[in-house]
Amino acid sequence: AQSVAQPEDQVNVAEGNPLTVKCTYSVSGNPYLFWYVQYPNRGLQFLLKYITGDNLVKGSYGFEAEFNKSQTSFHLKKPSALVSDSALYFCAVRPNTGTASKLTFGTGTRLQVTL
Amino acid sequence: DSGVTQTPKHLITATGQRVTLRCSPRSGDLSVYWYQQSLDQGLQFLIQYYNGEERAKGNILERFSAQQFPDLHSELNLSSLELGDSALYFCASSAGGGRANEQFFGPGTRLTVL
Repeated sequence: AQSVAQPEDQVNVAEGNPLTVKCTYSVSGNPYLFWYVQYPNRGLQFLLKYITGDNLVKGSYGFEAEFNKSQTSFHLKKPSALVSDSALYFCAVRPNTGTASKLTFGTGTRLQVTL
Repeated sequence: DSGVTQTPKHLITATGQRVTLRCSPRSGDLSVYWYQQSLDQGLQFLIQYYNGEERAKGNILERFSAQQFPDLHSELNLSSLELGDSALYFCASSAGGGRANEQFFGPGTRLTVL
């Protein structure tokens, strides 16, 4: 069965510093990988996805993520954090073939950016 | 704004009751997904419909059912409600049924069962 691990419940970073939110996955075959962000009392917003090709994926609001097949990781990064980036971030995986087709989410990582 | 609408925003009801949650997907999207978000279970996939047909099923209880109508809106029916059904229920839509398509989420319906 597929799974996603987000090992940190919370990540704290100062505004202007780089941020990383970690994600590792387990799936049969090749993965489709996604990052979503959830602001308080809102639905999830799509940030970026990895389908195939270049391992570095660029997304919305200056975020990017690096796919590493050997480490089965898809960490989310941003060179310079903003206070407005404070939110709950979810990594998700979906196998690109096979009978199991659902999107599986991690437990989420709360990002807190302070001045 | 994702373009996905959900009604109602909040719902408070009693154990044993039945409720219906409604979702309108983004214009042109054929796939609708339902998710349950709770503190103890996280974000759980319930069910997917594609152009009116059930496409995939997740951790959906037998007391729950869903359907997608010809105009592509979807309803999630929850019956014999229990305290543990209290959660945020999200609907999402995507352009096609393909696995590579990103999903666009509605604002959710917060269900409280008393």
